[in-house]
Amino acid sequence: QKEVEQDPGPLSVPEGAIVSLNCTYSNSAFQYFMWYRQYSRKGPELLMYTYSSGNKEDGRFTAQVDKSSKYISLFIRDSQPSDSATYLCAMSGGDNQGGKLIFGQGTELSVKP
Amino acid sequence: GAVVSQHPSWVICKSGTSVKIECRSLDFQATTMFWYRQFPKQSLMLMATSNEGSKATYEQGVEKDKFLINHASLTLSTLTVTSAHPEDSSFYICSARRLTPTDTQYFGPGTRLTVL
Repeated sequence: QKEVEQDPGPLSVPEGAIVSLNCTYSNSAFQYFMWYRQYSRKGPELLMYTYSSGNKEDGRFTAQVDKSSKYISLFIRDSQPSDSATYLCAMSGGDNQGGKLIFGQGTELSVKP
Repeated sequence: GAVVSQHPSWVICKSGTSVKIECRSLDFQATTMFWYRQFPKQSLMLMATSNEGSKATYEQGVEKDKFLINHASLTLSTLTVTSAHPEDSSFYICSARRLTPTDTQYFGPGTRLTVL
């Protein structure tokens, strides 16, 4: 079993739809939770950062962390074609794990006009 | 957000030659940087952790004599692929760890290496 599981998709939605992306994990030592967006042939771009449990909102993006269920989500409202990319969840135990990030497999999202 | 640069963005070399890739954190100091490799349609694979002023720590299965890492300053880490072969062709991405205000990693744009 992988430490972090993420549905690889691909996921195709119409423009304006609400997108829900999810990851589950097994290591209870994870404290820092991130979502990255990666366009083809580019480096990942940090979208959202959450420490411990809770919700965080930034514009059209909302990140949720439920440590009791070991489950994190990213919601994208009013999705746009420019949101078409691969979304990677990542998590870390901080200094306890040398700052290393553990990534999900990435979900490929396509938003159709 | 923080800015990390990588150079070159793409490189083509002949088999048997060495290639150096630079990773720079432009607006923050990074005592720790990471080097990843990514194959098409796959997630990032951590190769090694680069620590300023000390030896890099390599992940299991990564040849340290083939992938030389140097982290000589708080803003620069280099990855040298020695005696490159076609199977080393890949997308290499670095990241820099920023501790404040949040402990996270910022990624460079990546370097596409093609070995002929």
